[in-house]
Order: sequence, then C-alpha cells, then structure tokens
Amino acid sequence: GAGVSQTPSNKVTEKGKYVELRCDPISGHTALYWYRQSLGQGPEFLIYFQGTGAADDSGLPNDRFFAVRPEGSVSTLKIQRTERGDSAVYLCASSLQGGVSYEQYFGPGTRLTVT
Amino acid sequence: AQSVSQHNHHVILSEAASLELGCNYSYGGTVNLFWYVQYPGQHLQLLLKYFSGDPLVKGIKGFEAEFIKSKFSFNLRKPSVQWSDTAEYFCAVRGGGNKLTFGTGTQLKVEL
Repeated sequence: GAGVSQTPSNKVTEKGKYVELRCDPISGHTALYWYRQSLGQGPEFLIYFQGTGAADDSGLPNDRFFAVRPEGSVSTLKIQRTERGDSAVYLCASSLQGGVSYEQYFGPGTRLTVT
Repeated sequence: AQSVSQHNHHVILSEAASLELGCNYSYGGTVNLFWYVQYPGQHLQLLLKYFSGDPLVKGIKGFEAEFIKSKFSFNLRKPSVQWSDTAEYFCAVRGGGNKLTFGTGTQLKVEL
C-alpha cells in the first residue's frame, strides 16, 4: 500500500520567507509526527499529533514553527521568517495509533534549503 | 530527558565480516529501543525493536540486538555483512511519551 508521502521533495527559499511543508500519512493512521534532520545528525522530534490535536509540541524550536492537521489526516508544517539554520531534511512519520506499541513509518522527507 | 549515543560514526567492513554497532542511552525509566536503517536513496525503516521480554531481539535481514539494562546499551549485531547492508543505521529510544530520540547515526560501508 501507499506509504507516507511528503511534498515538496526539495524546497529552496530565501532567508526571511515563509514555507509550508506537507505530509500525507498512511491512510487510517491516527498519529502523525514531524522530525527534523540536520546534516550529520539523527532525526530530532518536533511535534506529535493524535487526530487533529497536537499532543506534544515540545520539540518545536521557537514560535516561527507551527504545524496543523485540521482533518486528522494531512498535516502541514509552517515555518515563518526562515533562517539559514532552518536548513535540514524535515521528516514526517505516521503510526496506526499513538501508543508505544505502534511502529512509526517514515516518509522520504522534504529537504529545505534557506539561502 | 532521554538521549542516545552512537559511538561509531563511520564503519567500513569487508563482506562476510561481523558487525557490531554500539548504542547507549540515557533515561531513568522504562524504555522502548529501536534500530532504524536508511539505505541510500530510501526512507528510514525499522530494523528491529525491543519493548520487553527477551533482551535479545531479532530483526530483518539477519540483524539482532541485545538490550543490556545494567549498561544502558542496545548494540546491533550481524554475524556476516553483505554489500547490500551498506546504509546508515540509527539507534532510537522512546521513554515517556510517543516521541523517538535518535542517535547521530552510523554510516556503514561494506566493501566487496
């Protein structure tokens, strides 16, 4: 079946611009996660949705980052006033439910480059 | 807070050599432990996981890992690597909550 998809695959933007990154989870998965992977690092947790609500947003680095999941499926990560330090691969993952027993399936990521 | 340390950043092996990748974690409570693999040009995918029970867990493609609670370790092993095992390997821990905390990864290159 279809896995987690993310669009765009690559995004280049200028410093100070606004960007939106989209994630389509596996159909029927109620839990959705965003991670960020900087060069030479492992993925770093940003936010976790259970259904439509953000159950844990403790990883968002500052108030320039915001994410929504209005209908409990597709999610959008929004970054305002981008900075060069935001350059990274943004990964989305989904799981059937949010409990500890459920595997997280990762998408291919969106590579964001801020110039 | 939870953290993960992977000691080997780059490993080069010849085919048929044995592999052991180190992973240590820091967390005071009950943990779930994972190894993920990312083959060139592909997504992160789960290799194996430990939740409870037998501390020796077996995953796909002949990989296994052993949870040693007293050492806070979850090392990945494979008796005989293949060229197709060339990939980046990430250890991850889930403590309280649902988020995964990853190590910095180990780049494995297997030479023919």
